Amino acid sequence: QSVLTQPPSASGTPGQRVTISCSGSSSNIGRDYVNWYQQFPGTAPKLLIYRNNQRPSGVPDRFSGSKSGTSASLAISGLRSEDETDYYCAAWDDTLSGWVFGGGTKLTVL
Amino acid sequence: QVQLQQSGPGLVKPSQTLSLTCAISGDSVSSNSAAWNWIRQSPSRGLEWLGRTYYRSKWYNGYALSVKSRIIINPDTSKNQFSLQLNSVTPEDTAVYYCARSAPYVDYWGQGTLVTVSS
Repeated sequence: QSVLTQPPSASGTPGQRVTISCSGSSSNIGRDYVNWYQQFPGTAPKLLIYRNNQRPSGVPDRFSGSKSGTSASLAISGLRSEDETDYYCAAWDDTLSGWVFGGGTKLTVL
Repeated sequence: QVQLQQSGPGLVKPSQTLSLTCAISGDSVSSNSAAWNWIRQSPSRGLEWLGRTYYRSKWYNGYALSVKSRIIINPDTSKNQFSLQLNSVTPEDTAVYYCARSAPYVDYWGQGTLVTVSS
């Protein structure tokens, strides 16, 4: 059971906008930044969004993040077939004194 | 550009010790602004942070409660790397193990090592 809660799946059609939610608590998302990762099968997670809404260089601006209270969201606009993969949220947990992750959301592009 | 290169065996027998090493290039294990983490991933447990080591005028370690009694993470300044030791492993420790940097968020990851615990 992951500390952060994500929907197991999401889907959309090419060109559409989809959002993936991430729910936590006052000891993690409520008091610290949220980061998002994209992971393709057989590879390590790749940083997609950091500090709630910042994109590393090279990440398209189709990807955006937001946070409100103890929840966060990842939005992907202009959905493309190559976006079909797994997405994870993460945050530092002050009570556990460690990084905590969501269970992951598998995005399908229909 | 930071790169993390993992090494270590992919098969460990139950009750024995899992040992992995992560070689760092492009940064220093003694950096005052980074921490060096081990994270594992399995279908049953998802992504699970195991622990970290970092230097802030002296060395510190932090470990997840789930493995605190069995884990040691050590820096090796002479080789600019850090290691993971997980003792008394069981089949539930079977997972892909990643080393990763956090500065302050987890940004760079190693390539991953599938470790299977089986006799």
